[in-house]
Order: sequence, then structure tokens, then C-alpha cells
Amino acid sequence: KQEVTQIPAALSVPEGENLVLNCSFTDSAIYNLQWFRQDPGKGLTSLLLIQSSQREQTSGRLNASLDKSSGRSTLYIAASQPGDSATYLCAVRGASGAGSYQLTFGKGTKLSVIP
Amino acid sequence: ETGVTQSPTHLIKTRGQQVTLRCSSQSGHNTVSWYQQALGQGPQFIFQYYREEENGRGNFPPRFSGLQFPNYSSELNVNALELDDSALYLCASSRPTGELFFGEGSRLTVL
Repeated sequence: KQEVTQIPAALSVPEGENLVLNCSFTDSAIYNLQWFRQDPGKGLTSLLLIQSSQREQTSGRLNASLDKSSGRSTLYIAASQPGDSATYLCAVRGASGAGSYQLTFGKGTKLSVIP
Repeated sequence: ETGVTQSPTHLIKTRGQQVTLRCSSQSGHNTVSWYQQALGQGPQFIFQYYREEENGRGNFPPRFSGLQFPNYSSELNVNALELDDSALYLCASSRPTGELFFGEGSRLTVL
């Protein structure tokens, strides 16, 4: 059974700092990995999707990397802003079987960017 | 803007009642899935529908059921509500790439 862990659970940084969020997963047989942002009481906003054959994806100040063999992904946020404050969730889709129908999520990292 | 809309946004039910949640997804996204998110947790997969048939299910009892319609809309039905069913229910539609797009969710409170 796939398990996804995100460390740290919460992070507080001053505005302008670069930061890294970590995600690890136990089964390396994945189809893709997706990073989401969730504001309090809201739905999930897709940030980046990395297919299993890719090593990284970039969108603006965000860069996500994937090391499938070691079961790890990182989300790098450059020059953080107060508007980046949210919970960031990592999710993986299995490559086959029952796991291919679903995303398995971590519990998220709650980020606070202090002005 | 994900193109996925859910209704209602909030609702309150009592234990034992039944609830129907609705979702409208983007045209052409023929896969829809539903997730349950308890407070402080990541979303948990309930089930997925493809071309109006359930083709994947998570660890949820049969009192959680769903429908998908030809117009890309979908329903999640929960019977015999329990207190632990209180959660945010999220609907998602998929692109062919496998990327999921979520709606804003329906917040269900069971008293």
C-alpha cells in the first residue's frame, strides 16, 4: 500500500526566503506525482505535475523535482511572498492496479510566510 | 479556475440522514473522482467514474455511492450518515495526462 509523507508538517519563513518542501513515498512504481496548494477551507489548486519519466517541472517561482528510485520529490519556492501562505500537498498516482485509479496524498505542509 | 464546480458549498445533516453532493466538470474530462478530506488530513480516495461506470474504489463502505451523467456532471450519495462522515468532499476531473483538477468542495457537517 502506497504511503506518502510530507516533512515538515508546518514551516514559517520570512518574506523573500527560498524554501524547500519535502515529499516521500514508499512505492516507487508511480505513474505521476502532483503538487497542490490548498487555502483554508478551499479546494485544491494544481501547481505542478511530474510524469514518472520526468525529473523536474518548473512554473514561475516553483520548481518540483522527482527522484522515483529513492521515492522522493521536492517543491522549491523561490523568493517567498505572504501570498504563498497555504498548505501544500503532494500526491502520487500508482503505475498499475488499484493504485492507478487514485491519487494517494500526504497530510501536507502548512506554510506561513511572514511579511 | 479549474472548471470544476460543486454544490452545495456547505450543508448540515443529522446522523442517519442521506445526502447528495453534486459536481460539474469540464467538457471532455470523462473521468471524475471523489475524495473525502477530514480536518488536518490529506484527501482520501472514495471512487472514480469513467464513461458513467465506476472503475475504481477506495476503502469506503457501500453506503457511499455515485453516479456520472453524459453531460460530465456527477453525484456522490451517502446514506445512513455517521458523525465521522463530517468532512470536506472534493470532486476532481482528469485530463488525459492524468492531471487532476479539483472543485472548491462541499463541507458536510453531521450532527
